Amino acid sequence: GAVVSQHPSWVICKSGTSVKIECRSLDFQATTMFWYRQFPKQSLMLMATSNEGSKATYEQGVEKDKFLINHASLTLSTLTVTSAHPEDSSFYICSARGGREGETQYFGPGTRLLVL
Amino acid sequence: GQNIDQPTEMTATEGAIVQINCTYQTSGFNGLFWYQQHAGEAPTFLSYNVLDGLEEKGRFSSFLSRSKGYSYLLLKELQMKDSASYLCAVMDSNYQLIWGAGTKLIIKP
Repeated sequence: GAVVSQHPSWVICKSGTSVKIECRSLDFQATTMFWYRQFPKQSLMLMATSNEGSKATYEQGVEKDKFLINHASLTLSTLTVTSAHPEDSSFYICSARGGREGETQYFGPGTRLLVL
Repeated sequence: GQNIDQPTEMTATEGAIVQINCTYQTSGFNGLFWYQQHAGEAPTFLSYNVLDGLEEKGRFSSFLSRSKGYSYLLLKELQMKDSASYLCAVMDSNYQLIWGAGTKLIIKP
């Protein structure tokens, strides 16, 4: 159990385009989903926390208008990188947690974004 | 502030035992997690400790001392596939995960 999928696993796009990444909990209802970014050889950086049906909470320094998060259902959250630039190239990882706040977060396999 | 400390890198020999330490200072405590992350992949959950003591799960064990703000992950009978980064994360009073920078474990034959 506790499987989280992400799609796509790889994205290469031109500068200025928008990219949407989907995160799905396959066998449990994810009340809360988290979006992380990780640059090579660096630690995970939490970008935002989203609860189903409400607006995401963004970490300091993360532009909410650039990284749009939609958590429309208990099994799906999407991250849209708007007007992507080369500096947005990174490894984006989502994680999902069930209904109880102390529950374990399970990670999706991640999405590699390369902006040319 | 909130702080998680773990060694940056460790080296061990195949078949041996290695202990990865983690110390923390957080606003509140709702459990400590260990994750494994292979290069280029997302983290995978290893263990969760919320009470003091040792939790054993196969070749991996995790220990917690809340009074000392200390945990360790013990890996026995090391295999080459155990080469990875090991992330320590503490859930604070707001149920937010505070992440350590990770310990890169290198296994040598």
